[in-house]
Amino acid sequence: EAGVAQSPRYKIIEKRQSVAFWCNPISGHATLYWYQQILGQGPKLLIQFQNNGVVDDSQLPKDRFSAERLKGVDSTLKIQPAKLEDSAVYLCASSPLSRAGPYEQYFGPGTRLTVT
Amino acid sequence: RKEVEQDPGPFNVPEGATVAFNCTYSNSASQSFFWYRQDCRKEPKLLMSVYSSGNEDGRFTAQLNRASQYISLLIRDSKLSDSATYLCVVNHGATNKLIFGTGTLLAVQP
Repeated sequence: EAGVAQSPRYKIIEKRQSVAFWCNPISGHATLYWYQQILGQGPKLLIQFQNNGVVDDSQLPKDRFSAERLKGVDSTLKIQPAKLEDSAVYLCASSPLSRAGPYEQYFGPGTRLTVT
Repeated sequence: RKEVEQDPGPFNVPEGATVAFNCTYSNSASQSFFWYRQDCRKEPKLLMSVYSSGNEDGRFTAQLNRASQYISLLIRDSKLSDSATYLCVVNHGATNKLIFGTGTLLAVQP
């Protein structure tokens, strides 16, 4: 079974530039998550989708971050404009529909973002 | 106060040693508990769920104390391949939202 796919794997940008990350979840997984993991910390949930609807975006810095999940499959996370403190690994995860949850979340390899 | 607190380590232990990690959580409404493992520069992967009755998977034993809001992971007969960061994870609510601790770094020495 194919895992969660993410691209790009690495990205270096200058502050104030914009950047976008892409995620393709495991086939059939209704729930998709974006996490930010800063060096030395655990992953922090940014946004959670169930199909193409947002379940939780309480920790998403909405002034600069946006995310969408068109057609309830792939998702993109965008940062515009980037700040130095956005340097982190951005992890995408997916899980089956959490009807009777919790279900295991499967993580992609992440995108390592460096903002200079 | 962080929702999930762990000793960041590092824990440096020799092969064959027994090592224990502890974790506390602040939200008494938390429903489910897990340990995830994260290798260097890799993604987190589920190691095991944690149940109130305690559960064991080979050399790994997890315990949950709801009254004290405390979770533990015991690794017996440590192997070099156990070297990784161990993340304590709490799930609360029906949305499957996971709250991660900062992780505890384990380095098993030959």
